[in-house]
Amino acid sequence: NAGVTQTPKFRVLKTGQSMTLLCAQDMNHEYMYWYRQDPGMGLRLIHYSVGEGTTAKGEVPDGYNVSRLKKQNFLLGLESAAPSQTSVYFCASSYNPFFVISYEQYFGPGTRLTVT
Amino acid sequence: ELKVEQNPLFLSMQEGKNYTIYCNYSTTSDRLYWYRQDPGKSLESLFVLLSNGAVKQEGRLMASLDTKARLSTLHITAAVHDLSATYFCAVDGTGGSQGNLIFGKGTKLSVKP
Repeated sequence: NAGVTQTPKFRVLKTGQSMTLLCAQDMNHEYMYWYRQDPGMGLRLIHYSVGEGTTAKGEVPDGYNVSRLKKQNFLLGLESAAPSQTSVYFCASSYNPFFVISYEQYFGPGTRLTVT
Repeated sequence: ELKVEQNPLFLSMQEGKNYTIYCNYSTTSDRLYWYRQDPGKSLESLFVLLSNGAVKQEGRLMASLDTKARLSTLHITAAVHDLSATYFCAVDGTGGSQGNLIFGKGTKLSVKP
């Protein structure tokens, strides 16, 4: 049981380049989330998904796109990276409908992205 | 708009001392979560508080929830250096229907000998 995994762990991009971050979970969770964390800003929700094939915008969605083609995977794309997107990105998942107790979120290890 | 405020944002304390971190939120919710984050690491779940009056304890940390006051506290007893980390509280942002959590900005705790 790996929990929530993210790839890659580190990445350096040049302005204008594109990339995709992959999040995978093996807990049968319905909900998945992408956050960014910047110093002094706490965690900010970028996009989320409440089930396979669904996505929705969070607090800071501009410049990002997401897809949830399989229940266990949630992809975050940057089409044209900008220096303002330099951040640490965390994926999280929650809500197993067979064991509903809370909406506690489980986090991946993070991806540190630098855009130069 | 749901807001979650933690205070203090920075806390420097000596080993052996007690202190409390406060988490206030602006709308009704009966579910609150505490997370810990070590430098350069991810967030780790500490406590899940699911009802008014809930109290959870683990080691030197104790969390409580007062939904009427919209307040949760994280109490540290006899702090040790290993507790140095950033602590986040989070509240369900949409009545639990979509599991979106609103996070506070975090309290950076430094425990010094």
